[in-house]
Amino acid sequence: GAVVSQHPSRVICKSGTSVKIECRSLDFQATTMFWYRQFPKKSLMLMATSNEGSKATYEQGVEKDKFLINHASLTLSTLTVTSAHPEDSSFYICSASWTGGDTEAFFGQGTRLTVV
Amino acid sequence: GESVGLHLPTLSVQEGDNSIINCAYSNSASDYFIWYKQESGKGPQFIIDIRSNMDKRQGQRVTVLLNKTVKHLSLQIAATQPGDSAVYFCAENGRGNQGGKLIFGQGTELSVKP
Repeated sequence: GAVVSQHPSRVICKSGTSVKIECRSLDFQATTMFWYRQFPKKSLMLMATSNEGSKATYEQGVEKDKFLINHASLTLSTLTVTSAHPEDSSFYICSASWTGGDTEAFFGQGTRLTVV
Repeated sequence: GESVGLHLPTLSVQEGDNSIINCAYSNSASDYFIWYKQESGKGPQFIIDIRSNMDKRQGQRVTVLLNKTVKHLSLQIAATQPGDSAVYFCAENGRGNQGGKLIFGQGTELSVKP
């Protein structure tokens, strides 16, 4: 099956610093990648849709200047949390898809971000 | 389903029993649905999917039922095992949505008692 690798799995950073999370599709070309945020005991909330070579589309209420997304190649998308604050602490998950039609998405293992 | 502000529902079953997990989806135009299993600290894992032109689909020990009239989806797990303990989410891909763009339901935490 399709494999999506997310790195790092855990990161602790100081308040005010920026953190980059990588999402890679290992055995397929991902035309589209998605970024989700998940709070404890809650569902996954879609943050943004990232298409290779174009700007990301953000969901309502998600600050694009806070959560910078880059999808420079068909196998890599990055999410940078800029000037992180404790309220940005969360579980961030990416997924990748390869077609424009109805299809499942393949998920990374998630990144636990803790801002201290 | 709407998940903001709601706590995760829980379902506790005895090992060997059958489990039924329910989900109400929100978009009547959605035509593709997936059930995912999420273990603590991990990403969602695909279980089974169903398209809107079907009302039932079976996998290994799992069955998904779709009732479009009432916008309801269920996941049945036969002979539930301790390894099935996890949070289960339904997800929908609305018609016209970009492939892979999924909206997740609230989730249900399944606990299997030995």
